[in-house]
Amino acid sequence: NAGVMQNPRHLVRRRGQEARLRCSPMKGHSHVYWYRQLPEEGLKFMVYLQKENIIDESGMPKERFSAEFPKEGPSILRIQQVVRGDSAAYFCASSPGSEQYFGPGTRLTVT
Amino acid sequence: AQKITQTQPGMFVQEKEAVTLDCTYDTSDPSYGLFWYKQPSSGEMIFLIYQGSYDQQNATEGRYSLNFQKARKSANLVISASQLGDSAMYFCAMREGPGAGTASKLTFGTGTRLQVTL
Repeated sequence: NAGVMQNPRHLVRRRGQEARLRCSPMKGHSHVYWYRQLPEEGLKFMVYLQKENIIDESGMPKERFSAEFPKEGPSILRIQQVVRGDSAAYFCASSPGSEQYFGPGTRLTVT
Repeated sequence: AQKITQTQPGMFVQEKEAVTLDCTYDTSDPSYGLFWYKQPSSGEMIFLIYQGSYDQQNATEGRYSLNFQKARKSANLVISASQLGDSAMYFCAMREGPGAGTASKLTFGTGTRLQVTL
C-alpha cells in the first residue's frame, strides 16, 4: 500500500504565476487535509476535504487559494498569482478516519 | 491562547541518554487526541505516537513513550536510549473532537529541535 503521494516535490514559480500542488491519498482514504509550513514554524491547517466536498476551509486565505478533491484523481491545491510570502512547504495528509498520514510535502519557492 | 505549547525551541542530549520533550495543550473538549511527529532535515513528517483523551494508560511505541498528565494538560514525549538518527524537529499536535473514527484537523505546536551528540 503506497503512502501519500505529493507532486511535484519542489516547485519554483515567479511572482504572479499559478501553482498547482497535487496530493494522492493512500488507498482507501477518503479524507484529505492540506497544511502549510513556513520556514522554522509548525504546520498550519488550511483545508479539509472529502471526495467532492470541502468540509472545513477555515485555514485557507480568502483570496488566491482554492482546493478540490474530485471523485476521480488527486486532490489539488491551487494558488493563483503567487507572491513571495507563499513560499513554504505544503503538506497533504490523508486519513481513513482518525490518524493522519502525511505526504513528503511540496516545497514552493516564489522568485 | 495557544492550543499547543512547546516551550523548548532546542534540546541537546547525549547518545544513549533519555530525553523529554515538553508539550502542553489547551482545550475545553472532553474528547481529543494528542500526536507527536518527527521531522528530520529531509522534511517529511513521520508519525511517532498517539494518545487519546480517554486512554487509561500512557502510549508507548518502541523507544517512544508519551507521559500523559490529563489534569496538568501535558503530553510530554520521552525518547529513551537516544540515537544520532533521532536528531530532528519534533512537533506535538492535537485533534479536538469526538473519539476514534472522527476526522478533524490537527493543531501543531512550534516544535522542538533535538540534537543528539556523541
